[in-house]
Amino acid sequence: GQQVMQIPQYQHVQEGEDFTTYCNSSTTLSNIQWYKQRPGGHPVFLIQLVKSGEVKKQKRLTFQFGEAKKNSSLHITATQTTDVGTYFCAGTGRRALTFGSGTRLQVQP
Amino acid sequence: EAQVTQNPRYLITVTGKKLTVTCSQNMNHEYMSWYRQDPGLGLRQIYYSMNVEVTDKGDVPEGYKVSRKEKRNFPLILESPSPNQTSLYFCASSLGHRSSYEQYFGPGTRLTVT
Repeated sequence: GQQVMQIPQYQHVQEGEDFTTYCNSSTTLSNIQWYKQRPGGHPVFLIQLVKSGEVKKQKRLTFQFGEAKKNSSLHITATQTTDVGTYFCAGTGRRALTFGSGTRLQVQP
Repeated sequence: EAQVTQNPRYLITVTGKKLTVTCSQNMNHEYMSWYRQDPGLGLRQIYYSMNVEVTDKGDVPEGYKVSRKEKRNFPLILESPSPNQTSLYFCASSLGHRSSYEQYFGPGTRLTVT
């Protein structure tokens, strides 16, 4: 079945450093979504990418969808303490949305 | 306010005692689903429903039941809970049944089965 792998599982950065999480699918995806879950909270939708090679930005966050539509990345520039949480990618292949295992980000002030 | 609600938020129960976790959304969404979240495993889909009276299994349906008698409600039933069902559960809804729609998640239910 469809599998979506996400790395790293955990990252600890100093405030102001950059952060990147990567998502890889075993199959070609029709689209990919990214969610953020604050500690103790629920996942909240951030963005969806649909086109091959697509790049979207939200302030300090940059999202990319690979040319082959099998991988994606989320890059945060100059992290802040408000970026703390777990970031999930979720890909749609032949069937339902499949979530990656998530990357937990800790930001040291 | 548009939202997905779940009850209870926390539940401690014993093996074999039937329980129901309720989920309700006020956005007139067609698609609803249940996920469980376990450390290192991300969110795994248990069941989903594309509309009233239409439900189907997700990736980890064993030990769970659902029903969709009304559009707004999608309860999760554990007929005979076991310790391996100790987890954090999320209900989610979206506009349509296509997975390309944004998922709105409820606040979560933390279940402990002893």
